[in-house]
Amino acid sequence: QVQLQESGPGLVKPSQTLSLTCTVSGGSISSGGYYWTWIRQHPGTGLEWIGSIYDSGTTYYNPSLKNRISISIDTSKNQFSLKLSSVIAADTAVYYCTRTAHQNDVDDFWGQGTLVTVSS
Amino acid sequence: DIQMTQSPSSLSASVGDRVTITCRASQSIRSYLNWYQQKPGKAPKLLIYAASSLQSGVPSRFSGSGSGTDFTLTISSLHPEDFATYYCQQSYTTPRTFGQGTKLEIK
Repeated sequence: QVQLQESGPGLVKPSQTLSLTCTVSGGSISSGGYYWTWIRQHPGTGLEWIGSIYDSGTTYYNPSLKNRISISIDTSKNQFSLKLSSVIAADTAVYYCTRTAHQNDVDDFWGQGTLVTVSS
Repeated sequence: DIQMTQSPSSLSASVGDRVTITCRASQSIRSYLNWYQQKPGKAPKLLIYAASSLQSGVPSRFSGSGSGTDFTLTISSLHPEDFATYYCQQSYTTPRTFGQGTKLEIK
């Protein structure tokens, strides 16, 4: 079955760019029926949808972050990535990558999550 | 953005109890409502999608109902492994939004 794994620095300085990659295994990132999503969870609180990308490269972003985020996809490496610029302490969170099924737009597989701390 | 409101925020129950969690959307989301279970230090796990469809591998004691703005997640008889935090999520439109969570604790 499909597995997702986030990777990237666990500590980012304020004003810098947070960069994370999600590697998909057990299936092709270009397989029909799915697209790919980033979600974050601030410490001890709820879940926030960041954005999604289709294998065509079409993206959908949360307007609350739209000016700072970029999601890209590399089908040759079976990976997709998140960049969040000008980070502040409030961007400290566990970041999850997910597979989202077109049918019902549901996140059916999740990575384990990676904690990113914004601090000098 | 569509606001999702869960109630209660926390709930104490005993093994074997029947438990119901409610989720209300700020506007109609038809049946585009999903339920997730999260245990400490773990990623959320999909339980129910499209309001009432049970995800493969999820025990049948979990069920979901509702449409429009009001939805419920029911656990018919609590097992020890069910004590966790539960989130609803609307997938009707972007940005996708989640409820604030319901923490289910052992009484």
